Amino acid sequence: GQQLNQSPQSMFIQEGEDVSMNCTSSSIFNTWLWYKQDPGEGPVLLIALYKAGELTSNGRLTAQFGITRKDSFLNISASIPSDVGIYFCAGLEGQGFSFIFGKGTRLLVKP
Amino acid sequence: GAGVSQTPSNKVTEKGKYVELRCDPISGHTALYWYRQSLGQGPEFLIYFQGTGAADDSGLPNDRFFAVRPEGSVSTLKIQRTERGDSAVYLCASSSRQGVGTQYFGPGTRLTVL
Repeated sequence: GQQLNQSPQSMFIQEGEDVSMNCTSSSIFNTWLWYKQDPGEGPVLLIALYKAGELTSNGRLTAQFGITRKDSFLNISASIPSDVGIYFCAGLEGQGFSFIFGKGTRLLVKP
Repeated sequence: GAGVSQTPSNKVTEKGKYVELRCDPISGHTALYWYRQSLGQGPEFLIYFQGTGAADDSGLPNDRFFAVRPEGSVSTLKIQRTERGDSAVYLCASSSRQGVGTQYFGPGTRLTVL
């Protein structure tokens, strides 16, 4: 079956530092989504990517759809305490509807 | 409200019982998804509705799980003969675009099977 590997599993960084996380898949994806989830809440969409090579920013967040269509990364610049949470990547293969999620990257920010 | 709502927020039941979980999508959203999220994991796709019909139910784990969306808006996820392994957070999401699109998630229903 499809595999989606997300790394790192967790990060503990100092406020102000930049953060990078990525996802790789065993198959080609047509869409990559990045979400943030806070405790007790549903995931909130951060960035959506639809084309290979696409680079999209949302404030301090930047994400890219890899050229091979098997990977994506998310960068957060100048982290702040409210960036704390779990970040998930999700991918969609072909013309299906079943998004596959990574296991998440837990981000902790030390003030 | 403006977002996806789910009720109840928490449900505790006994093994073998029947449960229903409700999702109210964002008004006008034609696509609706159900996911299951276990502790420490990402959401796991269960079923996708486009309008009233289930366009993809390949994620339902077995025939104890069933979902309906009779009028193309509210959806109900039904679990029969619950098992302890069904304990998880059940998330609903809706989208305004068919298939591929940006999904907006509800807060989830935390199901605990004793």
